[in-house]
This record gives sequence, structure tokens and C-alpha cells, in this order.
Amino acid sequence: GQNIDQPTEMTATEGAIVQINCTYQTSGFNGLFWYQQHAGEAPTFLSYNVLDGLEEKGRFSSFLSRSKGYSYLLLKELQMKDSASYLCAVNPTGGYNKLIFGAGTRLAVHP
Amino acid sequence: DGGITQSPKYLFRKEGQNVTLSCEQNLNHDAMYWYRQDPGQGLRLIYYSQIVNDFQKGDIAEGYSVSREKKESFPLTVTSAQKNPTAFYLCASSTRWEERVETQYFGPGTRLLVL
Repeated sequence: GQNIDQPTEMTATEGAIVQINCTYQTSGFNGLFWYQQHAGEAPTFLSYNVLDGLEEKGRFSSFLSRSKGYSYLLLKELQMKDSASYLCAVNPTGGYNKLIFGAGTRLAVHP
Repeated sequence: DGGITQSPKYLFRKEGQNVTLSCEQNLNHDAMYWYRQDPGQGLRLIYYSQIVNDFQKGDIAEGYSVSREKKESFPLTVTSAQKNPTAFYLCASSTRWEERVETQYFGPGTRLLVL
């Protein structure tokens, strides 16, 4: 079967660093996405990893280890506007642009 | 301004009624997708289309139907056969999948409620 696991909720303090983990078990692997979703709004694309290692993009970084079926999203210098859900999604092999989504991690940033 | 629009923002359905959710994109994307989001669950794929006049069932297609007559438009009909339609419906689009994964971009969503 296909399974994506993320923590349900996390809290952090403004200005701090937070790491959101994602583990996956899928029938093949063709890339992993992170999206940010504010309540009641559309998910917005944050990052894409297909090779092992760290991808850095401003305050956000994403890491992938294919051998461990593991990724994390690192958010630095947290701001109140970072309070949102963070969705991990995997593209398994299978012939089209399919994404399997985790249930998302709801992050609350406190002053 | 390129993007994806969905309408309406909120939609109410009566028992036994079919309703249609609109999705339009001006990103010149070939591929379009419909997802359903329920509380505590990941997005689940309902239907997808890689090209005009062609579409495929996703993981939870029962009770739904789609059409793809124009590149820009991919409407979703929630039929009376869908017994639990209350959810947040998200439309997405991407460039056409060839050999590598393409990023999907999402519309603002339609929240469907049953009266």
C-alpha cells in the first residue's frame, strides 16, 4: 500500500526553527513535494526533492533520504504568518503525475 | 495574471441533486486534476486529465464525473450517487507529464455542503 506519515500538530515560537518530518512507503519513488496551506485556502508549492540531500530556498529548506523513505521541511526565523498546515506529497512511479498526500502537519507559531 | 480560478467558493447541495464545480486556468497547462480534502486526511485524487477530450479516474471517482472539452476548463460534477459529498474540493493543473514529475498548482477551492 501507499502511506505518508507526518505529525498531526506542532507548535513553535516566533523567531525559532522548526523541523517537520515526513516518512513515506510507496510503490516506487519519483519525487517528493512540500506544500503550505493556510486554513480554507489553496495549497501553495514550497519545494521539490528527487535526489538525496538538502534543497535550500530562503527561510525554507527541504531534505530527502530515499534509502530511509524520509524527508523533512525546515523553517527558520519563524514568523506568525508561517502558521499553516504543511503537506508532504510523493509521486510514486506509475506512469502519470500522481501525488499521494500525507494528512498534513498543522503548525502554530506563538509570539 | 496567470492562475487557476474555482467557483463558487461555497456550494450547497440538496439531497438527490447534481452540482457542478467550475475550474478554469490560464496557465496554458495541459494537465488538470480534481482532489477532495476532508479533515484529518490527505488530499485524494478524484479525476485527472492530461489532454483535452481525455480524462482518467483517480482513487475515489465513484459518484463524480468530469469533462474536458477545452484546455482551460475541467468542470467536476458531484452526482447524487456520491453519498458523502461534504468536503473541500481543490482543482490543480500542471504542464504535461512526460518523463519527469511536474509541479501541480492549485486553485482556491470550493467548499461543498449538503443541506
